[in-house]
Amino acid sequence: DQQVKQNSPSLSVQEGRISILNCDYTNSMFDYFLWYKKYPAEGPTFLISISSIKDKNEDGRFTVFLNKSAKHLSLHIVPSQPGDSAVYFCAADDLTGTASKLTFGTGTRLQVTL
Amino acid sequence: KAGVTQTPRYLIKTRGQQVTLSCSPISGHRSVSWYQQTPGQGLQFLFEYFSETQRNKGNFPGRFSGRQFSNSRSEMNVSTLELGDSALYLCASNYQGVGTEAFFGQGTRLTVV
Repeated sequence: DQQVKQNSPSLSVQEGRISILNCDYTNSMFDYFLWYKKYPAEGPTFLISISSIKDKNEDGRFTVFLNKSAKHLSLHIVPSQPGDSAVYFCAADDLTGTASKLTFGTGTRLQVTL
Repeated sequence: KAGVTQTPRYLIKTRGQQVTLSCSPISGHRSVSWYQQTPGQGLQFLFEYFSETQRNKGNFPGRFSGRQFSNSRSEMNVSTLELGDSALYLCASNYQGVGTEAFFGQGTRLTVV
């Protein structure tokens, strides 16, 4: 049962353009969401997070949008740079407890071309 | 400020053996979580520790266990290794647990032969 889904396994974007990565979730208990960037054989690097009381959070070139009614979030990267090429994971957590237990999507491989 | 440190980076073990992996969290972080990444199952939660207590556990067999020490360092143990345990094991630390960002180490690549 995949509770967090990233339906696009890969995405190719030209340098300077906008990259939009999408994520859907099914568990209505999820109320905290994070995006991570990952290179092979390395740990994920935290990018940006959003809690369900917000619908948008921005940090530099990264913006995350949350649509709770649709159970959908997206990560926008503007402008895209070649160094952004990596696998991006969205993750979700449930704030009702105290222990962190992230549920990850399957990842989207982003390639930024020159 | 030092990041999350995992040792060793690489391990090769034989089926039936046991293995212990180590994780030192970011200074001041009291929550440590462990995840397994495999090509087939993706990133899956193993367990979370806070102040030496396991607060949450994922759907893994009892062969997977962990502990946390008073300095917040954590170890993960896998007994009676199986080929399917070959994976990248990742440790994450965050300040207090849920609702705060989790920062990951570089992982330990375990190969079971």
